[in-house]
Amino acid sequence: EIVMTQSPATLSVSPGERATLSCRASQSVSNNLAWYQQKPGQAPRLLIYGASTRATGIPARFSGSGSGTEFTLTISSLQSEDFALYYCQQYYNWPPLTFGGGTKVGIK
Amino acid sequence: QVQLVQSGAEVKQPGSSLWISCKASGGTFSNSTVNWVRQAPGRGLEWMGGYIIALFGTTHYAQNFQGRVTITADKSSSTAFLELSSLRSEDTAIYYCARSPFGDLSSWFDAWGQGTLVTVSS
Repeated sequence: EIVMTQSPATLSVSPGERATLSCRASQSVSNNLAWYQQKPGQAPRLLIYGASTRATGIPARFSGSGSGTEFTLTISSLQSEDFALYYCQQYYNWPPLTFGGGTKVGIK
Repeated sequence: QVQLVQSGAEVKQPGSSLWISCKASGGTFSNSTVNWVRQAPGRGLEWMGGYIIALFGTTHYAQNFQGRVTITADKSSSTAFLELSSLRSEDTAIYYCARSPFGDLSSWFDAWGQGTLVTVSS
């Protein structure tokens, strides 16, 4: 099983600032990595797939990078609606498909 | 854009079985894969298994749930089902169906149901 580790667990950022979230895989997943955003009481929403491709309708301030075992989600200028939980997920090796533990982005 | 609509919240007794449905609207499952993901209170996301509709219903399950979980689908009604047996209190969670856009588990989840809250309690 590939273990996904996200850091930090909590990130405090001021509106308008940049947020950088990390995701590490216990072994290479190539670029088979997705990012999701989850707000309280809602289902997750796909942000990024293929490590760097934005999903339909996702604003350009969200960008993904990385390959192999190290990945980054960057939110270039945080808006109020971006304060949420973020999860990474690998789909390179399965079963099982695995998620990271999440990073909570909160208001500073 | 496909939308997934799940059945409503349930309260179950320990030892009983759970059955949840997930219906696609605005599209179908025909060439995709339906997955079930759960989220325990205050916890992260846990993949339970997937049903590859395009491959005549090939299923893959997480080892944690082997023997207790069954995922099926009815192509004619674009509805998928999750059955989980021998419920225990640790199964209390929100259960989500999530679609992968290809007939393969090597994919992301591009559509999610609204979630079904399941409470296991005596």
